Amino acid sequence: AQTVTQSQPEMSVQEAETVTLSCTYDTSENNYYLFWYKQPPSRQMILVIRQEAYKQQNATENRFSVNFQKAAKSFSLKISDSQLGDTAMYFCAFMVLNRQGGKLIFGQGTELSVKP
Amino acid sequence: DAGITQSPRHKVTETGTPVTLRCHQTENHRYMYWYRQDPGHGLRLIHYSYGVKDTDKGEVSDGYSVSRSKTEDFLLTLESATSSQTSVYFCAISGNRGHGEQYFGPGTRLTVT
Repeated sequence: AQTVTQSQPEMSVQEAETVTLSCTYDTSENNYYLFWYKQPPSRQMILVIRQEAYKQQNATENRFSVNFQKAAKSFSLKISDSQLGDTAMYFCAFMVLNRQGGKLIFGQGTELSVKP
Repeated sequence: DAGITQSPRHKVTETGTPVTLRCHQTENHRYMYWYRQDPGHGLRLIHYSYGVKDTDKGEVSDGYSVSRSKTEDFLLTLESATSSQTSVYFCAISGNRGHGEQYFGPGTRLTVT
């Protein structure tokens, strides 16, 4: 069975600084997808970034980038130039995609506070 | 934003009563999912659907049933609610294209007293 672990329950960062959130996963699959979702106080789940396991290049979306280490089964999220609006719970998630769709397996989450 | 709505948004019910939560999408996406969110557990999959009348169980399906009679609606039913089903419930959808990204509804907070 696949598992996802986020070992940092809480983190804080000063506005404009850079922060890295950690995520590790366990799987015997070779083809899969990894995601980071953001959940602000509004409770809405927002997709931040996606990584395909077959791609060696790390995904980037504006201020958000990942460090994907397939052999180490590690998938960290780096937020550059942190903004107050980045304050949220961040979830790492794993998925194997098949004809029946994809079942997301989530980590426990990291609560990030951006301080002015 | 994907067109996903959930109803009701909040509900308080008593132990033993039946409860149905509705997820409605306007995106014509094939796949729909129900998750629950509890402190310390992230989100966990309850049931999912890969087409009209095609559903299957997820990680925490005991005590829940689902139905999907048309593409746009996916219903989650608690036949006899228990206090352990107090949670926030999220619906998600994904399409045939793309790489499995799931887009979430706003959530329903259910309290079972």
